[in-house]
Amino acid sequence: GNSVTQMEGPVTLSEEAFLTINCTYTATGYPSLFWYVQYPGEGLQLLLKATKADDKGSNKGFEATYRKETTSFHLEKGSVQVSDSAVYFCALMTGGGADGLTFGKGTHLIIQP
Amino acid sequence: GAGVSQSPRYKVAKRGQDVALRCDPISGHVSLFWYQQALGQGPEFLTYFQNEAQLDKSGLPSDRFFAERPEGSVSTLKIQRTQQEDSAVYLCASSLVSLTSSPVGRETQYFGPGTRLLVL
Repeated sequence: GNSVTQMEGPVTLSEEAFLTINCTYTATGYPSLFWYVQYPGEGLQLLLKATKADDKGSNKGFEATYRKETTSFHLEKGSVQVSDSAVYFCALMTGGGADGLTFGKGTHLIIQP
Repeated sequence: GAGVSQSPRYKVAKRGQDVALRCDPISGHVSLFWYQQALGQGPEFLTYFQNEAQLDKSGLPSDRFFAERPEGSVSTLKIQRTQQEDSAVYLCASSLVSLTSSPVGRETQYFGPGTRLLVL
């Protein structure tokens, strides 16, 4: 079956620090990969996605590259801001079935001024 | 425009009570998903609708859970005889096209704010 593993939180960083949140996956078939973000008091929002190997998704200064050889989709940002504080979820979806997204457990990111 | 809305936002139920959770997807969206998110966990897929057809209900945890979307727009998730383990946030998401007609991952799922259910 499908599964997503992401680093445990909370992750606490200072403003302007470099961010990496690791995500690895197992999947039957050839998945598309996603990062969703949940800001305090808000619903899940798509942050970025990649649909094939070596694709790079990017948005709001965040990037993640689909690495098929390491089954990974690590999230990075060069300089975080306090407003980036949120819970980040890595997710995947495989084709051929209507089974929705498979999510990781989420990583709580706290950015201190 | 309006996003996905869910009601109620919070629900407290006594064990054994039936509850109904409502989802209003974005107008015109074909696909609708329900997810269950336990505390400290990621969302887990429950069921999927393409218009009014329920194409997958493999994630529903028991036969106490029932979902419908009779006119292909609003959906209701019903939980009968609630148990304490049903306590979770129930998320609804919609997307513009169907999973079966679109290359996987091409369509973004838009999530509602969720309904937080607490069963005492």
